[in-house]
Formats: sequence, structure tokens, C-alpha cells
Amino acid sequence: GDSVTQMEGPVTLSEEAFLTINCTYTATGYPSLFWYVQYPGEGLQLLLKATKADDKGSNKGFEATYRKETTSFHLEKGSVQVSDSAVYFCALYNQGGKLIFGQGTELSVKP
Amino acid sequence: DTGVSQDPRHKITKRGQNVTFRCDPISEHNRLYWYRQTLGQGPEFLTYFQNEAQLEKSRLLSDRFSAERPKGSFSTLEIQRTEQGDSAMYLCASSHGTSGRTDTQYFGPGTRLTVL
Repeated sequence: GDSVTQMEGPVTLSEEAFLTINCTYTATGYPSLFWYVQYPGEGLQLLLKATKADDKGSNKGFEATYRKETTSFHLEKGSVQVSDSAVYFCALYNQGGKLIFGQGTELSVKP
Repeated sequence: DTGVSQDPRHKITKRGQNVTFRCDPISEHNRLYWYRQTLGQGPEFLTYFQNEAQLEKSRLLSDRFSAERPKGSFSTLEIQRTEQGDSAMYLCASSHGTSGRTDTQYFGPGTRLTVL
């Protein structure tokens, strides 16, 4: 069945460092791909999405490119801030109603 | 647009009791979803509705779980005879449901259930 694998956390970075969180997926067909973020004590928020190969999703300085050849959707940000500390979830939507999530990657940014 | 709301935000119950959670979706969203999230894991799909019709149920949704969406508006998720293994965050999401593969789900804040 369809699945999503994320790099394990926690990831600890200093402010203004470059961020990459790896995400790979297994799916039949052509899924849409998403990154959601969960700040401490809050619900899941959509961060960005891409719906077809080579699409780039971007929001709040974060970017991710849908790479069908490597079945990947890695999240990147050029300069992280303390306020980016959160748990990040990669997810895919293929068919039926469900999102399939990775296990999440916790990011901690130190001043 | 007030977002997806869930009530209660926290629920503590004793094993064997029944609990019911409510979700109010974003207005005019046709689809409503329930997920369960345990500590350190990503959300897992439970069930979803297109208007008032329940279209899919996960194997995670045992006979003790039942969900309804009367009139295609709010939804309730009931757990009967709760067990300690039911302790989790229960998330609700909604979407337009008309965009096919590009449909985007928006999540509520969740209901945290603790079964003692």
C-alpha cells in the first residue's frame, strides 16, 4: 500500500541555519504531496503542497519540489528561525479520502 | 471562515465509559474526516464522510467506534467501552471534496482523550 517515510528527528539547528527534512513516498499512480506543521499545543496546519511532478510548493520561506523520479518531497528552508520549532509531517493523498502521513520530524531551533 | 472546531479539547474518562466528540467543519465543506494520532506518530485515518454518507472506514475503527454526520454538517465520533489503548488525540479535518486529487484537508485543534 501507499506509504510515507520521513527522516527521524529530533533535528536541532541554530538560528539562520539551512534546513532539510527528507521525505520519500511509495504510491501507485500520481498522488498529491503535502507538508503539514504542528506547533506546540496546536493542531495541524497546511504548510505547502504540490499536486504533480516537478511542481514546487512554497510558503513562509519553506519549499519542497515533487520529484517523481526519486519519489521524494524534501522540505527546505534557507534560514530557520526559533519560531519554526515544531513537528513537520509529510503526507500524500492518492485515492479514496485519506491522507497518509509520515511519522513526523521534530525541529528545534536554538537562538 | 472560522476554521474547523472540535469539542471538547480534552477528555479524561475511566476505562469502560462511553465518550462522544464533536467536530464542526468549515462551512460549505462537503467532506469531513476523522484521524487518530498517538504520541510521536503521524495521524492515522479512521473514517470520512461525503455530506452525510460515510464512505470509508479504516480497520482501526473497531465495533466500539461509531461516527455520524447527520444532515451533512457537524459530525460526532463515539467510543463505547473505552480502553486505555484508546488514549490519543482525535483529529477532525474537512475539505471541499470537489477538487479530486488536489483536494486539501484543513484540520481542527483535536480532542485529547485520556483513558484511566
